[in-house]
Amino acid sequence: AQSVSQHNHHVILSEAASLELGCNYSYGGTVNLFWYVQYPGQHLQLLLKYFSGDPLVKGIKGFEAEFIKSKFSFNLRKPSVQWSDTAEYFCAVNAGNQGGKLIFGQGTELSVKP
Amino acid sequence: EAGVAQSPRYKIIEKRQSVAFWCNPISGHATLYWYQQILGQGPKLLIQFQNNGVVDDSQLPKDRFSAERLKGVDSTLKIQPAKLEDSAVYLCASSRTGIGGYTFGSGTRLTVV
Repeated sequence: AQSVSQHNHHVILSEAASLELGCNYSYGGTVNLFWYVQYPGQHLQLLLKYFSGDPLVKGIKGFEAEFIKSKFSFNLRKPSVQWSDTAEYFCAVNAGNQGGKLIFGQGTELSVKP
Repeated sequence: EAGVAQSPRYKIIEKRQSVAFWCNPISGHATLYWYQQILGQGPKLLIQFQNNGVVDDSQLPKDRFSAERLKGVDSTLKIQPAKLEDSAVYLCASSRTGIGGYTFGSGTRLTVV
């Protein structure tokens, strides 16, 4: 069965620190990849997505992610986090042959200390 | 554009009771999804509609859960009877096409006591 694994359950950083959140998936075929963010009390919002082309994808609020096919990974990065980035981050995968279904990782809670 | 509307926002019921959630997707979005998000986990797809037809309900516990999308617009998700393990946030999402990257609603937080 397809699965998505996020390596860190809870990450605590100070403002201006760099961020990298790991995401690995298990599926050998064509995939579409996503990162969603959920700020406290708010709904899930799309940060960025990868369908094809340049494996380095830039999203909103200075986030980027790199798709490494050989490693089945899609890690999220931000060079300098802000207190307002405190949120839960979800990696999700859509397998090319499964319509619009998203399979989510368990999420990583990011706490940024001012 | 207006977002995906869900109601109620919160619901507390006793086990073995029934409950229903409502979702109004973004206008023109043909695809509608219901996800279940248990505390500490990522969302899990329960059912996907394309217009008013079911595309995927493989993970819907059909002995107690049901969903419909009459006229291909609004949708309701029902649980009858509820169990303690149904406590979760129920998320509705919609998209213009069947490919992911869609818009989520704020969810309904269900607590079964």
